[in-house]
Amino acid sequence: AQSVAQPEDQVNVAEGNPLTVKCTYSVSGNPYLFWYVQYPNRGLQFLLKYITGDNLVKGSYGFEAEFNKSQTSFHLKKPSALVSDSALYFCAVRDTRSSNTGKLIFGQGTTLQVKP
Amino acid sequence: GAGVSQTPSNKVTEKGKYVELRCDPISGHTALYWYRQSLGQGPEFLIYFQGTGAADDSGLPNDRFFAVRPEGSVSTLKIQRTERGDSAVYLCASSPRGLPRGDTQYFGPGTRLTVL
Repeated sequence: AQSVAQPEDQVNVAEGNPLTVKCTYSVSGNPYLFWYVQYPNRGLQFLLKYITGDNLVKGSYGFEAEFNKSQTSFHLKKPSALVSDSALYFCAVRDTRSSNTGKLIFGQGTTLQVKP
Repeated sequence: GAGVSQTPSNKVTEKGKYVELRCDPISGHTALYWYRQSLGQGPEFLIYFQGTGAADDSGLPNDRFFAVRPEGSVSTLKIQRTERGDSAVYLCASSPRGLPRGDTQYFGPGTRLTVL
């Protein structure tokens, strides 16, 4: 079955420290992976995506993600966390079972708490 | 430019009533998606439109749910005989082309539906 797992419900980090939010996936064929961020009472904002090519993908607000095919992971990272990065983060993979679907499969989400 | 907009932002209804939720996608985007997000969960796919047609409606939970996109732009999600279990945030997204698997989906702020 195609799925996404975010093993941590919450990640706590001090401001200025590096952060990592973990994501692993299971999909048939080549994966198309996405990260979104959700602030309270807001919709999802796109951060970055991996389609092909360089395993290190750079996105919005200083975030980056590393694609690792052997570990089927796509962890989100930032070298120096800001308090304003505190939010709910979702990893998603494009469903590849059918060529007719635009479906994204989301993980359960990880709450990032950055403390001053 | 303008993002995806959804109306109403909040909808409270009574069990058994009919509701309509509206989505205005980003201008020029041919693909439109509906997702449902329950409290503490990641978004779950409902339906995907390519132009005017529903290319994948496999996520609609039952026949009380229906969605249309008659002119290939605005979409309406319709729920008949609402049940308390339908309470959730309904998210709409659009993307430029849809079928390319790397196409980025841009989300609206959502409609919070509460069924009393």
